[in-house]
Amino acid sequence: QSALTQPASVSGSPGQSITISCTGTSTDVGSYNLVSWYQHQPGKAPKFMIYEVNKRPSGVSDRFSGSKSGNTASLTISGLQAEDEADYYCCSYLSGRNYYVFGTGTKVTVL
Amino acid sequence: EVQLVESGGGLVQPGRSLRLSCTTSGFTFGDYAMSWVRQAPGKGLEWVGFIRSKAYGGTIGYAASVEGRFTISRDDFRSIAYLQMDSLKTEDTAVYHCNRIRYNAFDIWGQGTLVTVSP
Repeated sequence: QSALTQPASVSGSPGQSITISCTGTSTDVGSYNLVSWYQHQPGKAPKFMIYEVNKRPSGVSDRFSGSKSGNTASLTISGLQAEDEADYYCCSYLSGRNYYVFGTGTKVTVL
Repeated sequence: EVQLVESGGGLVQPGRSLRLSCTTSGFTFGDYAMSWVRQAPGKGLEWVGFIRSKAYGGTIGYAASVEGRFTISRDDFRSIAYLQMDSLKTEDTAVYHCNRIRYNAFDIWGQGTLVTVSP
């Protein structure tokens, strides 16, 4: 099972919106609405941001939203803020195989 | 407050074994599946494996890179998850995080423990 493909880096100015893509195949992202997203800042534990493609856990800002089309999931950060600088990872759960696969990770830079 | 604290990391030679522990508090451990995720130096997150709760049969799944070498177990009485790592390779060097699984995702993460496999 190969890692999901994410762009290595995405950048934006404060206040702008950015979108991070997460491309898999018909056997992972395309088959299950079980995509989650994580924010990882240096020195901190990863933070749970999105589950089941587009649901936000309690306490996560509504500036973060998720979507999916075919084999590609996306995370959009609107109203970009300096505190959003981090690495972001998507993850797909393959329920039929009891298997998880992460994306390659995207470094978000706020200009 | 929900907390996961990993322990047991350290320096180990290739081919040797190490057991990591994930001590939890603040929630009913036995009700949840638990997982391990690692991050090698300069690399991304990699899922290692998970164990379901006993109510869901205690099913265990592993990543292909560790299957046959790593074993996940749980002690619901002590609220601890374990990762037994055998036949360690240099490429197993990483920070190992334990996670709680909710909504088929990793909702709570520990800070991680560093495992270094080196001659």
